[in-house]
Amino acid sequence: GDSVTQMEGPVTLSEEAFLTINCTYTATGYPSLFWYVQYPGEGLQLLLKATKADDKGSNKGFEATYRKETTSFHLEKGSVQVSDSAVYFCALSLTQGGSEKLVFGKGTKLTVNP
Amino acid sequence: GAGVSQSPSNKVTEKGKDVELRCDPISGHTALYWYRQSLGQGLEFLIYFQGNSAPDKSGLPSDRFSAERTGGSVSTLTIQRTQQEDSAVYLCASSLYSWQGSYEQYFGPGTRLTVT
Repeated sequence: GDSVTQMEGPVTLSEEAFLTINCTYTATGYPSLFWYVQYPGEGLQLLLKATKADDKGSNKGFEATYRKETTSFHLEKGSVQVSDSAVYFCALSLTQGGSEKLVFGKGTKLTVNP
Repeated sequence: GAGVSQSPSNKVTEKGKDVELRCDPISGHTALYWYRQSLGQGLEFLIYFQGNSAPDKSGLPSDRFSAERTGGSVSTLTIQRTQQEDSAVYLCASSLYSWQGSYEQYFGPGTRLTVT
């Protein structure tokens, strides 16, 4: 079935380090891809998205490119900050038979130390 | 404007009791979703409502779970005869409708359910 696999955490980095969180997916058709973020004590919020192959989503210094050939949507940031500490979820959107839902990866907890 | 709101924020109940969880979506959003977030299972889809169409209930884990959406706005998720494995954070989300599934889903803060 349709699924999302993302790298297991937790990930601990020092401030200004480079971040990559890997995400691959399995899906029938052509899903839209998302990264959601959950900051401590807060709800899920959209970080970035891409709706078709080769699209690049970007926000707050984070980027991810929709790679159809490798079925991947890896999240990257060149220089992380303490305020980026959060849980990151990769997700795909399935639209089938008039229904729609997000399928999430397990989440990756990122801690950035000063 | 106002985001998605959920109530209660926390609910502790005894095993075997029924609970109702409420979601108020963003005004104008025709699509509404319920998800469950638990340590063991991550984030799981439960149910999807879109306008007046029949809901997609394919994610409901058992017949103890049901949901309704009145007047195309407020939704209630009901869990009957709660079990300890029902303990989780229940998240509601809403969005504009897109046949491509490309619109952002806006999530509420969740209801933390604890079954003792």
